[in-house]
Amino acid sequence: EVQVAESGGGLVKPGGSLRLSCAASGFTFSTYDMNWVRQAPGKGLEWVSCISSSGRYIYYADSVKGRFTISRDNAKNSLYLQMNNLRAEDTAVYYCARDMSGSGWYFDYWGQGTLVTVSS
Amino acid sequence: QSALTQPASVSGSPGQSITISCTGTSSDVGAYNYVSWYQQHPGKVPKLLIYDVTNRPSGVSNRFSASKSGNTASLTISGLQAEDEADYYCSSYTSSNTEVFGGGTKLTVL
Repeated sequence: EVQVAESGGGLVKPGGSLRLSCAASGFTFSTYDMNWVRQAPGKGLEWVSCISSSGRYIYYADSVKGRFTISRDNAKNSLYLQMNNLRAEDTAVYYCARDMSGSGWYFDYWGQGTLVTVSS
Repeated sequence: QSALTQPASVSGSPGQSITISCTGTSSDVGAYNYVSWYQQHPGKVPKLLIYDVTNRPSGVSNRFSASKSGNTASLTISGLQAEDEADYYCSSYTSSNTEVFGGGTKLTVL
């Protein structure tokens, strides 16, 4: 069974840092592109970042570019999101999502999410 | 990258059909056939309903169908059921190598 599970969320002060992790199982992690998608409380979905299966190609939303860094360790079946210089508007549930592969970017498996709260 | 435009809410009675629109630009929806739709029930994780504009993943009911014309994509739900009450999001790949979601549409089954 395909599973992805996020961890690492919590309360952090503005300007602070946090590292999210996503543990994957039930599929060949090294052959899938992976993404982070977030959802602010009561708001819609926002794509954050994508990393290719090998880690060679990385993309970010403008809202996080320069502050967030996506990475992966295929040996550990794990995805990461290093978040620096956090702002109040980064407060959201962060989902790890698998790209189902194909031409477009389609997220077929999602974790339950981890809540990041940025507040003083 | 601005969010795709969706109506904030739509409603319909059981058995009816409803359509949710999703308007983007020539840099996203209009540029590629890489439009998808997600369903999210309250407190739940989003579920992929449609990909490549019109395709349904295995296990998704054929009551869900979708199309695209120009810069606007549409999701149609036929034979509305109470369990269809949820938030629906469209999404598109963009020319900037990013993905953009719509603002979401709340479907109420009357």
